[in-house]
Amino acid sequence: GAGVSQSPSNKVTEKGKDVELRCDPISGHTALYWYRQSLGQGLEFLIYFQGNSAPDKSGLPSDRFSAERTGGSVSTLTIQRTQQEDSAVYLCASSAAGYRIETQYFGPGTRLLVL
Amino acid sequence: AQSVTQLDSQVPVFEEAPVELRCNYSSSVSVYLFWYVQYPNQGLQLLLKYLSGSTLVKGINGFEAEFNKSQTSFHLRKPSVHISDTAEYFCAVMGGGNQFYFGTGTSLTVIP
Repeated sequence: GAGVSQSPSNKVTEKGKDVELRCDPISGHTALYWYRQSLGQGLEFLIYFQGNSAPDKSGLPSDRFSAERTGGSVSTLTIQRTQQEDSAVYLCASSAAGYRIETQYFGPGTRLLVL
Repeated sequence: AQSVTQLDSQVPVFEEAPVELRCNYSSSVSVYLFWYVQYPNQGLQLLLKYLSGSTLVKGINGFEAEFNKSQTSFHLRKPSVHISDTAEYFCAVMGGGNQFYFGTGTSLTVIP
């Protein structure tokens, strides 16, 4: 079946603009994660959705970052007033079970460049 | 708090030679440990995971890793690498909190 998809694959924007990144998880997966991968850095946890529970937002680096998950499926990560340090690859992952130990399936990522 | 250290950012190795990619973690609680691989222009995929039980874990593509609690390590090994193993490898830990912590990655390059 189809894996996790993300769009756009690449996004170039100007400093100060808002951007929206989309993630379509695997159908039926209840858990969805967003990570940020900066050059030379590991994956940085951003936010976690599990079913209808309140999301775990503890990894969001500032209030310019927010995310929604509509209908328990598609998720959108929004970055307001982008800064150059926001440039990174943003990865989305989903998993079948509510427990974190289950295997995460990653999307190909969105490469964001803020000029 | 948990953290993951991958000491080697780049590892070149000749085809059919053995390889070990090192991973050390710090945690004050029991951990679950993972290795993920990212092939060029592809998403991350799980290689193997340690949750409990046997400390030697076997994964896909002939890789295995050994959990060593006393050394807080989870090194990844393969006895004979192929060109197709060229990729970025990430070690990750999930500790007592609700987050995954990833290392900075090791770029494995297999030389023909």
